[in-house]
Amino acid sequence: AQSVTQLGSHVSVSEGALVLLRCNYSSSVPPYLFWYVQYPNQGLQLLLKYTSAATLVKGINGFEAEFKKSETSFHLTKPSAHMSDAAEYFCAVSDQYGNKLVFGAGTILRVKS
Amino acid sequence: DGGITQSPKYLFRKEGQNVTLSCEQNLNHDAMYWYRQDPGQGLRLIYYSQIVNDFQKGDIAEGYSVSREKKESFPLTVTSAQKNPTAFYLCASSTLAFRGAGELFFGEGSRLTVL
Repeated sequence: AQSVTQLGSHVSVSEGALVLLRCNYSSSVPPYLFWYVQYPNQGLQLLLKYTSAATLVKGINGFEAEFKKSETSFHLTKPSAHMSDAAEYFCAVSDQYGNKLVFGAGTILRVKS
Repeated sequence: DGGITQSPKYLFRKEGQNVTLSCEQNLNHDAMYWYRQDPGQGLRLIYYSQIVNDFQKGDIAEGYSVSREKKESFPLTVTSAQKNPTAFYLCASSTLAFRGAGELFFGEGSRLTVL
């Protein structure tokens, strides 16, 4: 069974600082991994996805994530935080057989001015 | 513009009443999904449908029902049997029904509050 663990339900950074949101997954087969962002009272928007083509994945709004099989991790980073990055971020995993997409509990990012 | 429309955005109901949430998509996607979101719990799958006139239970289907009579529409009914219906409900669609890399497109959500 697949599962996703997001370390830290809340992360606070200063504007201009590095953003690091952690995601670890459990999957018995090679996974597909996703990061979504959600602004208050809205739906989710895809930031990026890993589908085994390249271990470093670049997404929208300057975000990127690196797939590390040995660590079963898919952490999301952004070199310099902007106030508009304040939102909730979800990591999700599915497998190559088309089983359901499993979401982590989410991490709320706060950006301080 | 193509997308997913959920209505209503906010809904208040008395305990014991059934309510139906609407979800319509014009993306020509085959697969549609309903998720429930509660604070600190992420998204949990209620029902999904890969094709018209067919649907499958997700992880928390008890107390919910769906129909898929048209490709564009996937309404969710929250019945009186659902013990804790107050939540944020999200509808999504994709071209590939959970086939690995299939991206989900989400609606804006419906917030249901049971008084």
